[in-house]
Amino acid sequence: GESVGLHLPTLSVQEGDNSIINCAYSNSASDYFIWYKQESGKGPQFIIDIRSNMDKRQGQRVTVLLNKTVKHLSLQIAATQPGDSAVYFCAENIQGGSTLGRLYFGRGTQLTVWP
Amino acid sequence: EAGVAQSPRYKIIEKRQSVAFWCNPISGHATLYWYQQILGQGPKLLIQFQNNGVVDDSQLPKDRFSAERLKGVDSTLKIQPAKLEDSAVYLCASSLVRGGGETQYFGPGTRLLVL
Repeated sequence: GESVGLHLPTLSVQEGDNSIINCAYSNSASDYFIWYKQESGKGPQFIIDIRSNMDKRQGQRVTVLLNKTVKHLSLQIAATQPGDSAVYFCAENIQGGSTLGRLYFGRGTQLTVWP
Repeated sequence: EAGVAQSPRYKIIEKRQSVAFWCNPISGHATLYWYQQILGQGPKLLIQFQNNGVVDDSQLPKDRFSAERLKGVDSTLKIQPAKLEDSAVYLCASSLVRGGGETQYFGPGTRLLVL
C-alpha cells in the first residue's frame, strides 16, 4: 500500500507569503523523493527532487527539506503566487530492486493562493 | 519538445463495457508508466514498461486490466469489463531510462467515468 502521506489536505496563503507543505513517509528504505504539482485537468508536473544523501535542495523559489530521522519531507515555496495554486504531491522511490521506477504518491495538499 | 500525449481525454461508459486508452510517450523515452488516480488521491502505478517489455505489473488488476507496448513506443491500456470503481483519471508517464532518479513526465490523463 501507499506509504507516503501528508499532514494537511488544504493550505491557504496570501500572495507574496511563503508556503510550507509537509509530507511524512513510512518506508525507511526510500532513498529518492520528488515533489509534483498538479493543476486542475492536468497531469502532475515535476517540481524538485532530493536524494536521501542530502537534507536540503533549492530550486527557483522552491526548497525541499528532508529529515530522515523522523521521515519527514517539506516543500517551501517563496513569495507564493496565484499561479502556484494547485495540488502538491510528494512521491518516494526505492532506487533498486523490483520496485525500481515505482513512485509511491501521497494524497496531496491543495494549495490556494489569495490575492 | 513534445510532451506525453494521451487520448481520449474523457470517456463515459456503462459498467461491464470495455474501454481502451492510448499513450504516446516523449520521443526517445524507453520507460513508460500507466497510473490510476482516483479522485482525491495520488496516482498509483499500474504497470511499467521498459521498451516493449513489462518490468512491473504487480499492481495491475489482471483479471480486467491489460496493457501492451508492442513496438516499444505507443502503449494502450484496456479495461474489460469495467466496474464502477474504475472511475478515475488514467495517467501515462515516460522517462528516459528506468530508475527512481529519472524524472517521470506525465501526460494530461484520460478521465473515465463508469456509470
